[in-house]
Amino acid sequence: EVQLVQSGAEVEKPGESLKISCKASGYTFTSYWIGWVRQMPGKGLEWMGIIYPSDSDTRYSPSFQGQVTISADKSISTAYLQWSSLKASDTAMYYCARLYGAAADCWGQGTLVTVSS
Amino acid sequence: QSVLTQPPSVSAAPGQKVTISCSGSSSNIGNNYVSWYQQLPGTAPKLLIYDNNKRPSGIPDRFSGSKSGTSATLGITGLQTGDEADYYCGTWDSSLSAGQEVFGGGTKLTVL
Repeated sequence: EVQLVQSGAEVEKPGESLKISCKASGYTFTSYWIGWVRQMPGKGLEWMGIIYPSDSDTRYSPSFQGQVTISADKSISTAYLQWSSLKASDTAMYYCARLYGAAADCWGQGTLVTVSS
Repeated sequence: QSVLTQPPSVSAAPGQKVTISCSGSSSNIGNNYVSWYQQLPGTAPKLLIYDNNKRPSGIPDRFSGSKSGTSATLGITGLQTGDEADYYCGTWDSSLSAGQEVFGGGTKLTVL
């Protein structure tokens, strides 16, 4: 069974750094793009960027370029999303999703990130 | 402002049919496959339709997708109260040099 399992909810202060994870199982991790999606409270879905774990080719949506870093460790089939300095506006649910062609066919359960002083 | 335009809300009675539109341009829908996602309250999105009109295993044939030019449509027949959810279209947009995945703004379906 294809599965993406994300790390747990986080509560952080503004200015702090954070790295959340998405562990894949049930398929060849290096054969599919995997991406991150943000959903702010009460709002829609936004693609942040995608990575191809085989060669770490990474593409960011313009709104998120320079704001976050997407990475992957193919030795443990895990993708990451990290911030170097969190802002209150980063408060959101974050989902990872596997891309099958242009479609996200498998989603993680989501990681809630709360940034508050 | 989303690159893909969806109506904010639609509603219909149980058992009826509803359609949700997704309008884009030649840089996205016009030249790429469209997917549709269902997000039930408090849950992660789920893929309903891919490659414009294909259903993943386990998705009932009450759900259908179509595309014409720079627009796509999701159809749901035999509406059930359990279909109340937010629905999103998605595709690839090649207007930027590297391209990017994009979503519509989402449509809230109410089953009256």
